[in-house]
Parts: sequence; structure tokens; C-alpha cells
Amino acid sequence: AQSVTQPDIHITVSEGASLELRCNYSYGATPYLFWYVQSPGQGLQLLLKYFSGDTLVQGIKGFEAEFKRSQSSFNLRKPSVHWSDAAEYFCAVGALYGQNFVFGPGTRLSVLP
Amino acid sequence: DTAVSQTPKYLVTQMGNDKSIKCEQNLGHDTMYWYKQDSKKFLKIMFSYNNKELIINETVPNRFSPKSPDKAHLNLHINSLELGDSAVYFCASSHQGEQYFGPGTRLTVT
Repeated sequence: AQSVTQPDIHITVSEGASLELRCNYSYGATPYLFWYVQSPGQGLQLLLKYFSGDTLVQGIKGFEAEFKRSQSSFNLRKPSVHWSDAAEYFCAVGALYGQNFVFGPGTRLSVLP
Repeated sequence: DTAVSQTPKYLVTQMGNDKSIKCEQNLGHDTMYWYKQDSKKFLKIMFSYNNKELIINETVPNRFSPKSPDKAHLNLHINSLELGDSAVYFCASSHQGEQYFGPGTRLTVT
């Protein structure tokens, strides 16, 4: 069965600092990988996705993620964090038809001024 | 213009009541879902449904039932509500693996 782990429950960074959120997955086939962000009291917004091709994918709001098959990882990065990036971040793995879409437990990001 | 919408946004009710949450998507997607997000923010799929097949997560109590009047709607009915049903429920639709989420319905059972 597929699963997603996000080792960091809570991360705090200073505004302007770089950020990396970790995600590891277990999946029997080539995975479809996603990062979603959830601001307090809001729904989930897709940041970026990886289906195939270039293993470094660019997303919205200046985020990027790199797929590393050998490490079963899909870490999210941003070179300079803004206060508005404070939110909950979810990594997810799925398949073409979505029935087996699985979320990680989430990482809460706090940003210090 | 909203892609996936849910009503109501907030729902407060007493134990034992029956309630429904409505979901509509205007994206033309064939597959829709219901997710439950608990107090620890953990998201878990409850149902996936298209015009041919309903897939139920086996851990979901049978008090929960999805009902789809047409391809654009997937409503969630909950019978005999319990305190543990308090959560945020998200509807989603998908196309080629990508999921689009509604804003969520915060259900509080007292």
C-alpha cells in the first residue's frame, strides 16, 4: 500500500531564509507526486506536481520540488521564505485515476519576522 | 467561477442528528471525492466516485453515505452523528491524477 511520510511536524524559519520540507513516499509504481498548501481556515491549494519528465518541477509562489527516485523523496524548497508562506504543507502521492490518493501528515511552517 | 464548491461552510449540530453536506464542481471532471481532516490536520480519503463506480474506504462507518444526483454533484449524508464526526470535510474532483479541492465544511457535533 502506498504511504507518505513527512518527517518534520513543525518547522520555524526566519523571513528571507531558505526552506526545505521533506517528503518520502512508498508506492508500487511510478508515482504522481504533489505538494499542497493549506492556510489557516482555508482549503488546499496545489503548489506543484510531478508526473514524469524533468525531476525538478517549478510551482506557484516561488516553490520548487525535486523528485529523487533512488531516495523515494519529493522535497519542497523555496530560496527565500515570506511571512505569507506560514501554513500547513501536505505532500501527496496518487495515480492517474486518483482512487489511491494519499496525503502525508503535513508539516506546519511558521515564519519569524 | 468557483471550481469546487461546498455548502455549508460551517455546520453545528447535536449528536444523533442526520445532516448533509453538498458539493458541486463545474470542471467537468468524472471523479469526485470526500475527505475528512481531523483535528490533527490529517487528511484521509473517505470515498471516491465516478459515474460508474463507488469506492469506499473500508474504515468509514456506514453512517456515512455519498449520493450523486449527477456527474457534477456529490453530496455527503451522515446519519446518527457522533462526537467523533467533528472534523473538516473536503470535497474534491480530479482529472488525470490532479485533485481540486473545495473550501471545506467544518462540522461540529455537540
